[in-house]
Amino acid sequence: EVQLLESGGGLVQPGGSLRLSCAASGFSFSTYGMIWVRQAPGKGLEWVSGISGSAGTTYYADSVKGRFTISRDNSKNTLFLQMSSLRAEDTAIYYCAKRSGDFWGQGTLVTVSS
Amino acid sequence: DVVMTQTPLSSPVTLGQPASISCMSSQSLVHSDGNTYLSWLQQRPGQPPRLLIYKISNRFSGVPDRFSGSGAGTDFTLKISRVEAEDVGVYYCMQTTQFPYTFGQGTKLEI
Repeated sequence: EVQLLESGGGLVQPGGSLRLSCAASGFSFSTYGMIWVRQAPGKGLEWVSGISGSAGTTYYADSVKGRFTISRDNSKNTLFLQMSSLRAEDTAIYYCAKRSGDFWGQGTLVTVSS
Repeated sequence: DVVMTQTPLSSPVTLGQPASISCMSSQSLVHSDGNTYLSWLQQRPGQPPRLLIYKISNRFSGVPDRFSGSGAGTDFTLKISRVEAEDVGVYYCMQTTQFPYTFGQGTKLEI
């Protein structure tokens, strides 16, 4: 059974940093590209970042480019999102998912507020 | 970036009756490999998104056959043949043909 479990969310002040993790199981993690998608309270889905299976290629939405860094540790079946210079508009539930969108985690809430 | 436009944004439906959601993309979603990476997701209240349909018309594992997808190029449709109470939620189209991936605004299905 495929499982994706996000962690690392919480309350952070504007300008602060946070590192999200996504532990994957039930599939050959290193074979698949992965993505992060976020959803602000009461809003729709917004793609944030993506990474290839080998971690050789990364992609970012313009809204987070230069502030967020996606990475993965294939030896530990874990996906990461390092977020810095956080803004109030980054407040959202952050989901990790397989690149094709076929499996999603439950999400972790990030709140940026003073 | 590819802009995805869904209509309607809200759809009151009657149990047992059909429902249809349209999604139009600002550019062709045909990939260089010949596939069209247009998916439909369902998000029930308080839940993460769930894949219903991939590559326009392929039902994902465990998805009831009352859900169907169709379309080509830039024009796509999700149909529910007979709406059930568990279908309440927000439906999104999503393109994964090119980065940045983009979503439609979402269509709220209400009984």
